Amino acid sequence: EDQVTQSPEALRLQEGESSSLNCSYTVSGLRGLFWYRQDPGKGPEFLFTLYSAGEEKEKERLKATLTKKESFLHITAPKPEDSATYLCAVPLGQKVTFGTGTKLQVIP
Amino acid sequence: KAGVTQTPRYLIKTRGQQVTLSCSPISGHRSVSWYQQTPGQGLQFLFEYFSETQRNKGNFPGRFSGRQFSNSRSEMNVSTLELGDSALYLCASSPGQFNDEQYFGPGTRLTVT
Repeated sequence: EDQVTQSPEALRLQEGESSSLNCSYTVSGLRGLFWYRQDPGKGPEFLFTLYSAGEEKEKERLKATLTKKESFLHITAPKPEDSATYLCAVPLGQKVTFGTGTKLQVIP
Repeated sequence: KAGVTQTPRYLIKTRGQQVTLSCSPISGHRSVSWYQQTPGQGLQFLFEYFSETQRNKGNFPGRFSGRQFSNSRSEMNVSTLELGDSALYLCASSPGQFNDEQYFGPGTRLTVT
C-alpha cells in the first residue's frame, strides 16, 4: 500500500543545534515529493519539490534531499523563527497525500 | 501575484445547518484542491477540480460537495453539519498537473456547535 510517513512527530532543538527530519514513502514510480512549512492557524507554505533520487534543494537554513525510499529535510543552525510543522507530500494516484508532519520547536 | 484567498476566515454553525466556503486561486492556476485539517487526522484530501470538472475525490461522505467556476474560483459545500466537521478547511491552487506544487490559502476555520 502506498504510504507517506514522517518522523519524528515532534522535535525540540536548541537554537543553533542542527538536525534532520525524515519523510519515508512507499510509492512505485515517484512523480515528485514536496515539502511544506505550516505555522499554527495558517495554510501550508510551499518550500521545495524534489523529483529524482540524488536531487537536493536549499533555501536559507533548510536543505531537502531525496533517495529512492525517503527524503530528508536538514535544518542547519536553526533559529526560533524556524519553529513550525513541516509536512511532506507525495502524488499518489491522482491526488496528493500528505504525511502527518513533524512539529519543530527551536528554543532560544 | 496575489495569493490564494479564502472566505470567510471564521465560521460558527449549528449542527444540521449547511455551509458554503469560497476559494479564489492564484491567477492563471486552473487546479483547485480542498483539504480538511484536524489535529487528529492531519490534512485529508476532499476533492480537486480542474477546468470546472472534478478530477478526484477523497473518502468523505456525500454531504461534502464542491464546484469550480469558469474563472477557476471554487466553492465547497457541507450540508447537514455534524460536530465532527469542525476543522480548518484549506484550499490550494496549482498550475494544472496533479504533481505540481500547491499553494495554499489561509483556510476557513469552521466550528460546529
